[in-house]
Amino acid sequence: AQSVAQPEDQVNVAEGNPLTVKCTYSVSGNPYLFWYVQYPNRGLQFLLKYITGDNLVKGSYGFEAEFNKSQTSFHLKKPSALVSDSALYFCAVRDYSNSGYALNFGKGTSLLVTP
Amino acid sequence: GAVVSQHPSWVICKSGTSVKIECRSLDFQATTMFWYRQFPKQSLMLMATSNEGSKATYEQGVEKDKFLINHASLTLSTLTVTSAHPEDSSFYICSARDLARYNEQFFGPGTRLTVL
Repeated sequence: AQSVAQPEDQVNVAEGNPLTVKCTYSVSGNPYLFWYVQYPNRGLQFLLKYITGDNLVKGSYGFEAEFNKSQTSFHLKKPSALVSDSALYFCAVRDYSNSGYALNFGKGTSLLVTP
Repeated sequence: GAVVSQHPSWVICKSGTSVKIECRSLDFQATTMFWYRQFPKQSLMLMATSNEGSKATYEQGVEKDKFLINHASLTLSTLTVTSAHPEDSSFYICSARDLARYNEQFFGPGTRLTVL
C-alpha cells in the first residue's frame, strides 16, 4: 500500500518567517501526492497536488511543495507565514484498493503561527 | 465548482438511536464517494467507499451492519450509524470523486456526532 508519513506533530513559526511542513512517502511506482488543510471542526480544503511534471508545485494561499524523488519527500512550504495559516495540515497519497482509488493520509501536522 | 455538502453539520443523540448523515455533491456527479472518520487531533481513517448503484466496500475493521451506507444517486450518499453508542462519537467526513476533474476528491465540511 502507498503511504505517507508526517514526522512532526506540531510546527511553530513566527509570522513573516518561512514555514516548512514535512512529508515523506513510500510508494511503488509514481506517486500522486496531495496536501490538505483543515481548520477546527471543518472538512479538508485542497491546497495542491503533484502528479507529474515540475517538481515545484504551487498551490492555494501562497503554499507550494517540492517533490524530491531521491529523498522521497514532498514538503509543504510558504515563504512568509501568516497567523491565519495556523491549522492542521495533512499530506496524502493516492492508493488503489479493491474499491478503486482512495487517499491515504498522514497523521497530520499542527501548524501554529505566532504574531 | 466542486462543492460537497454534508448534513447535518452536528448532531447529538441518545445511545441506542440511529443517525443518518447525508453527503451531496452539489455541482457534479460522483459515482464514488468516501466516508472517513476522524478522532480528535488524529488523521482521517477511511471507513468505506460508496459506489453508486452498488454495495459499499468497507475497510477492514469497520462493521457493515453498524455503519450502513447507501449511494442511491450520483449526487447523494448516506451514512447511517445504527444503534449508536458513545464510542461512535466522532467527526465524520465524506468526499466525492469527480471523474471530470481527473478523479480528484472533494471533501465535505464534516459532521460532528456526539452520542450521549
